[in-house]
Amino acid sequence: DVKVTQSSRYLVKRTGEKVFLECVQDMDHENMFWYRQDPGLGLRLIYFSYDVKMKEKGDIPEGYSVSREKKERFSLILESASTNQTSMYLCASSLGTETTEAFFGQGTRLTVV
Amino acid sequence: GQQVMQIPQYQHVQEGEDFTTYCNSSTTLSNIQWYKQRPGGHPVFLIQLVKSGEVKKQKRLTFQFGEAKKNSSLHITATQTTDVGTYFCAGPPGNTPLVFGKGTRLSVIA
Repeated sequence: DVKVTQSSRYLVKRTGEKVFLECVQDMDHENMFWYRQDPGLGLRLIYFSYDVKMKEKGDIPEGYSVSREKKERFSLILESASTNQTSMYLCASSLGTETTEAFFGQGTRLTVV
Repeated sequence: GQQVMQIPQYQHVQEGEDFTTYCNSSTTLSNIQWYKQRPGGHPVFLIQLVKSGEVKKQKRLTFQFGEAKKNSSLHITATQTTDVGTYFCAGPPGNTPLVFGKGTRLSVIA
């Protein structure tokens, strides 16, 4: 089975802190994605990557950056956490872009206080 | 930009009743995918539809893709408590990542 693992299930950080959310997949997928999920807003794409060292902005990239130094790992970075970044963060990976399913990690619920 | 609209946002049904959620895209989709997220869980892939007018069934679930490839539906016959969760449709408008609808949260009253 494809496994997408996020480093933390729950995280509490202080305003202004630099926060790293890590995601690792074990199926040699080219594509990796970071979404945030908020009640009533569904899944919104933050950043995605189709290859190592490649990154593209999604719909809501402001306040975030990403890093993909290895194919299996995609990190989301909050440069200076703010309370409006309190959310559920979901990492996903897929083999292709259009025609293959996305596999999601278990999610990281981040609270910024 | 690309939008995928999903209705209703919430649906409460008695166990045994049918349930339908609808998905509409502002642009033509190359395919449509459906995901289910159980309470406290993460989205899990259910199915993908590719062809115009395609209909697929998974036990009590029936998925349809519209002729114009801009709308889709998921119908559940005789809901059970195990059907509880949020159902998302998602489509890639060309060579771009999946755009998700906001989901329909289904509650089933036993």
